[in-house]
Parts: sequence; structure tokens; C-alpha cells
Amino acid sequence: EAGVTQSPTHLIKTRGQQATLRCSPISGHTSVYWYQQALGLGLQFLLWYDEGEERNRGNFPPRFSGRQFPNYSSELNVNALELEDSALYLCASSLLPGLTEAFFGQGTRLTVV
Amino acid sequence: AQSVTQLGSHVSVSEGALVLLRCNYSSSVPPYLFWYVQYPNQGLQLLLKYTTGATLVKGINGFEAEFKKSETSFHLTKPSAHMSDAAEYFCAGGGLGNTPLVFGKGTRLSVIA
Repeated sequence: EAGVTQSPTHLIKTRGQQATLRCSPISGHTSVYWYQQALGLGLQFLLWYDEGEERNRGNFPPRFSGRQFPNYSSELNVNALELEDSALYLCASSLLPGLTEAFFGQGTRLTVV
Repeated sequence: AQSVTQLGSHVSVSEGALVLLRCNYSSSVPPYLFWYVQYPNQGLQLLLKYTTGATLVKGINGFEAEFKKSETSFHLTKPSAHMSDAAEYFCAGGGLGNTPLVFGKGTRLSVIA
């Protein structure tokens, strides 16, 4: 069974541009979570989607947005990129929202220059 | 606010020595607790989880953790460290209802030959 897949693995953008990151959850999983892992800051929760709806949002500015598609895949959009947006962006999925563990993808390394 | 605190950003042990990675959670965090491991340039892999039942939880690769409600702790241990255990370890908690998993800042484990 395929795990959580993220694309691209690496992304280099210029400050001010937009970035789109994609995530395909494990088959049958309806919840998708996005986390930002910046150097020295641990994992910061970004967004949580379940059944196509945004369930929760972390403390990030509105230029971080996303959506979940009918097939439960998800994309994260970051507008007006800033240098400090450089980080590893991790996507995770779970079978049910809440009390189950989340399975993580390999991440997308976003570098803003 | 929910929080998970990992004591020690870096722990160094000799090969064959006991591994002890500390994690404390705030009382507002539902007692659903997890340990994840992250190898360089990879996503997070679940080591073990505590939801209900037995407070001593065994995970993969010889790791185990004990949930102690009175101490709000969920420390990770392994009797004998291997070189392959060198990685970043994250404690996480929560995931109840509409709240996502909250992660600690991580502990980097180094194993010295």
C-alpha cells in the first residue's frame, strides 16, 4: 500500500512568488494535515482538512491557504513568498479525524531566495 | 493552551547505553500521546502511541514509553542504543476532536561508537 506522497520533493522560488505543494494521502484516509518544519522551530501546525472541509488552522497568515479535493488529495498554496517561508513542509494523513495517529509523507523542501 | 515539551534539544549516548528522551505534556492535552522519529531528509515515522489501556507502550526498534498521568510525562526509552538510532525524535499529543497533533520541538539523538 502506498504511503503519503508529496510533490515536488524540492522547490526553489523567488521572494514574492507563489508556491503550490501537493499531497496524496494513504488510500481511504480522509484527513490531511499540513505542518511546517523550519530550522530550529520544530513542527508547526498549518492546516487540517477532512472530507473537503477545513477543520482547523494554525497561527499562520492568510497567504498560507489550501484545499482538499474530492479524492482527498490536498494542496497547500503559499502566496507572496518570504525568505522565512523556507522550510520542510510535511503532509500527513489519518484514517479518521482526531484520535488516530497521523502518517507522514517525505516532505517538500521549499527554498525561497 | 495545549503544549508538549521535550527536555533537551540534543542527547548524546554511547552505543549500548540506555536511551532516555523526556517528554511532558500540559494537562489540557488529551492523553493521546505519540513518539515519532525523523531520519535526515525524511518525513516522520511513528514509533509508538498511547491512547488508552496499558500505560507501558512498546514500539518499533526496541523503543518503549510509559504514560505517567501523575507526572504528565511520556518518556521514551530504549535499553541499548544502536548507531542506527541516531535521528530526531518528536513527542506529540492531542488530536482529540478538532484539535490537531501538537508536537514538541524535537530531541536530536546522537550515538557515539
